[in-house]
Amino acid sequence: DTGVSQDPRHKITKRGQNVTFRCDPISEHNRLYWYRQTLGQGPEFLTYFQNEAQLEKSRLLSDRFSAERPKGSFSTLEIQRTEQGDSAMYLCASSRLTSGTDTQYFGPGTRLTVL
Amino acid sequence: AQKVTQAQTEISVVEKEDVTLDCVYETRDTTYYLFWYKQPPSGELVFLIRRNSFDEQNEISGRYSWNFQKSTSSFNFTITASQVVDSAVYFCGDSGGSNYKLTFGKGTLLTVNP
Repeated sequence: DTGVSQDPRHKITKRGQNVTFRCDPISEHNRLYWYRQTLGQGPEFLTYFQNEAQLEKSRLLSDRFSAERPKGSFSTLEIQRTEQGDSAMYLCASSRLTSGTDTQYFGPGTRLTVL
Repeated sequence: AQKVTQAQTEISVVEKEDVTLDCVYETRDTTYYLFWYKQPPSGELVFLIRRNSFDEQNEISGRYSWNFQKSTSSFNFTITASQVVDSAVYFCGDSGGSNYKLTFGKGTLLTVNP
C-alpha cells in the first residue's frame, strides 16, 4: 500500500495568514486523524473522521481550526489567522477498523512555522 | 483521562548493548490498547506494536521485545544488540477505551553510538 501522504511538507507563514494542509490516507482506510506535535513532546490528538463524518474534536482545536474530509477520502486542515503558538508539526494518520483492530499509520507531517 | 509516562528522556548506549525503554500508563478503562511508535530523525512515526489490555503475553519480533505487566501498569520495550539505525525517539502510549484517540508519552531519545 502507498503510505499516508501530506502536503506541503513545510510551510512558513506570517502571523495572521490562513494556511491549509492536505492529507491523503492509505487507500481504503475509513478513519483519518489529525495530531499536532511540538518540539520535545509526543503528538497530541486534534480530531478524527470516520468516513466523511468528523466524530470528535479536541479542546486543542480552537475556532480558528477547521478540518474537512469530503467524500471520505482526503482531508484538509485549515488554520485561520495563524498565531506563533500554532508553530508545530501537524501529523495525519489513517486506519481501517477491522475486527476490533485499529492501527494508525502516520504520514510524514507538515511542519508549520509562523513568523 | 489517560496518562503515559516515559521517565527516561534520553538514553545513550554503545552499539550491541541491550537497552530497555520504560513506559508506565494510567487509565480507568477496563479495555484499552497500548502501543509503541518510533520516530527517526526523518520525522515520520513508524508503528512498532499494538497490544490489547487483555493480552498480557510478551511479544518478540527480531531484536525487539515487549513486556506488558498490568500489575505494574507498564509496557516496556527492549532492543537487543542495539544498532546505530535504532537511534530515534520512541513513543509509548495508549488509546484508552476509545480505540481512536491515542495519548502519547513525551518520548525517549535513544542514541546508539558506534
